[in-house]
Amino acid sequence: GDSVTQMEGPVTLSEEAFLTINCTYTATGYPSLFWYVQYPGEGLQLLLKATKADDKGSNKGFEATYRKETTSFHLEKGSVQVSDSAVYFCALSGGGGSEKLVFGKGTKLTVNP
Amino acid sequence: DAGITQSPRHKVTETGTPVTLRCHQTENHRYMYWYRQDPGHGLRLIHYSYGVKDTDKGEVSDGYSVSRSKTEDFLLTLESATSSQTSVYFCAIRPGQNYEQYFGPGTRLTVT
Repeated sequence: GDSVTQMEGPVTLSEEAFLTINCTYTATGYPSLFWYVQYPGEGLQLLLKATKADDKGSNKGFEATYRKETTSFHLEKGSVQVSDSAVYFCALSGGGGSEKLVFGKGTKLTVNP
Repeated sequence: DAGITQSPRHKVTETGTPVTLRCHQTENHRYMYWYRQDPGHGLRLIHYSYGVKDTDKGEVSDGYSVSRSKTEDFLLTLESATSSQTSVYFCAIRPGQNYEQYFGPGTRLTVT
């Protein structure tokens, strides 16, 4: 079945550092890809998405590009802030027409001032 | 704001008691989902609904049942709660033809 693998955390960075969180997937068909963010004590928020190969999703300074050839959707941000501290989840849906979201296990990011 | 509320937000219950969690949406979306979140497992799908009275199982449905008698409400019931069902439960909706889902604030359930 469909699956998502993301780098294990936790990840600790200093403010203004560059962030990369790796995400690879296995899916049938042509899934849509997502990054969700969960701040402490809150629900998941959709951060960005990409629906087809070579699409770049972006939001709040975060970016991820849908790479079909490497089955990857890595999350990047050029300069992280303390307020970016959260858990980040990579997910896919729509592979083979399935409407179910399949999540990676999450990567906890801590940004220190 | 996806217009999703969950109730209760926190609950402590004893093993063997029935528990019902409610998810309410304000925008009449067809698809609704229940997930549980546990450390080391990410989010796992329990049940989902694709319309009133239309539901199906997810990957961790054992011990759970659902009902949807109105478009806006999706109920998750633990018929006889066990300690393994201690978790944070999230409801989600899927609007339109896109595949993204939007999540409620969650219910933290503790079974003692």
